[in-house]
Amino acid sequence: EAQVTQNPRYLITVTGKKLTVTCSQNMNHEYMSWYRQDPGLGLRQIYYSMNVEVTDKGDVPEGYKVSRKEKRNFPLILESPSPNQTSLYFCASSLSPGLAGEETQYFGPGTRLLVL
Amino acid sequence: GDSVTQMEGPVTLSEEAFLTINCTYTATGYPSLFWYVQYPGEGLQLLLKATKADDKGSNKGFEATYRKETTSFHLEKGSVQVSDSAVYFCALRRRSQGNLIFGKGTKLSVKP
Repeated sequence: EAQVTQNPRYLITVTGKKLTVTCSQNMNHEYMSWYRQDPGLGLRQIYYSMNVEVTDKGDVPEGYKVSRKEKRNFPLILESPSPNQTSLYFCASSLSPGLAGEETQYFGPGTRLLVL
Repeated sequence: GDSVTQMEGPVTLSEEAFLTINCTYTATGYPSLFWYVQYPGEGLQLLLKATKADDKGSNKGFEATYRKETTSFHLEKGSVQVSDSAVYFCALRRRSQGNLIFGKGTKLSVKP
């Protein structure tokens, strides 16, 4: 089954304790991305990757890191989490965006993070 | 910058009622437009999309037409069901950065 998986689905942590949220896709997609969803703000992009070893900042990258060593995986790293990073996080993947951005992004099930 | 504005709701309808959720956008160039749906406790699923002006996307009885002249992509369904209760997001996709710019979502509740 074609899918995007994320782990863990739920996470409670404390300020400053490094954590990683994993994301994996089995559709051989070049493009992968992380979003956060917050009430009243909707979904905003954190980082994206056009292909292996190619990553770039999205609209809200502060406090996050990513890496893309393999095509299928795109982990999100919070080196020193803070309470304002409490949010619902989604990983997404697609083929390369296309000339008009027409390629569909497929989303994982989400990771709910609480930073105390 | 690019942006999407959609009616925020919540919207409450009776089963079999007609649904319209308005969506307008601001963008440079001609982006592709999408409607995603999020059911309670789940991720986002693509509902429909349109990639150029005058295209009509459709799926599961939902429709939306890409209107360049009014920069709109309104979602419609002729007869909603209880199972359509969810949050609906309008979005455009930037070609350069490849990311989706989302509206803030519209929560739809359908009562039997």
